[in-house]
Amino acid sequence: NAGVTQTPKFQVLKTGQSMTLQCAQDMNHEYMSWYRQDPGMGLRLIHYSVGAGITDQGEVPNGYNVSRSTTEDFPLRLLSAAPSQTSVYFCASRSGPGTGMNTEAFFGQGTRLTVV
Amino acid sequence: LAKTTQPISMDSYEGQEVNITCSHNNIATNDYITWYQQFPSQGPRFIIQGYKTKVTNEVASLFIPADRKSSTLSLPRVSLSDTAVYYCLVASYNQGGKLIFGQGTELSVKP
Repeated sequence: NAGVTQTPKFQVLKTGQSMTLQCAQDMNHEYMSWYRQDPGMGLRLIHYSVGAGITDQGEVPNGYNVSRSTTEDFPLRLLSAAPSQTSVYFCASRSGPGTGMNTEAFFGQGTRLTVV
Repeated sequence: LAKTTQPISMDSYEGQEVNITCSHNNIATNDYITWYQQFPSQGPRFIIQGYKTKVTNEVASLFIPADRKSSTLSLPRVSLSDTAVYYCLVASYNQGGKLIFGQGTELSVKP
């Protein structure tokens, strides 16, 4: 049981390049999210998904695309990288609300992205 | 979503009890309160969640008054390893339970 796995751990991109950050979970969780964290700041929600085929925007979605074709995977695509997207990216997953509310999310180890 | 406000930083000493209070004046009926801990270079880790009154687990206690406009995370007898950033979040059941993080409270535990 690996939990939430993010790849790569580190990445350097040139301005204008595109890339996909991978996120996979093996806990059969319905909810998955992507966050970015800039130095000294809290996490900001980029996109999230409540199940396969369902995605929605978070607080800072511009410049990013997501899709959720399977329960396990939730890739984040940077369409045309900009220096402002230099950040640490975290993927998280959690099970659905069930009969109440479940707010226990499991986070990956993060991807450090630098755009030059 | 209800906005949360918590102190930016707090200092404590080993062995003391630490209480971090968070205000969430606009909390809705179906909202839950949850707290996370984050160490440098790591993703956040869930600590505790609650709806009302008091919740306790092996790590912390969460106190929520009747009006639910604030909550207090209590860490008993902190150690140096409790130095971290602590986030208070309000999760809305009606909005798919999105978890929105604020600035957090940077707790520094000194020997």
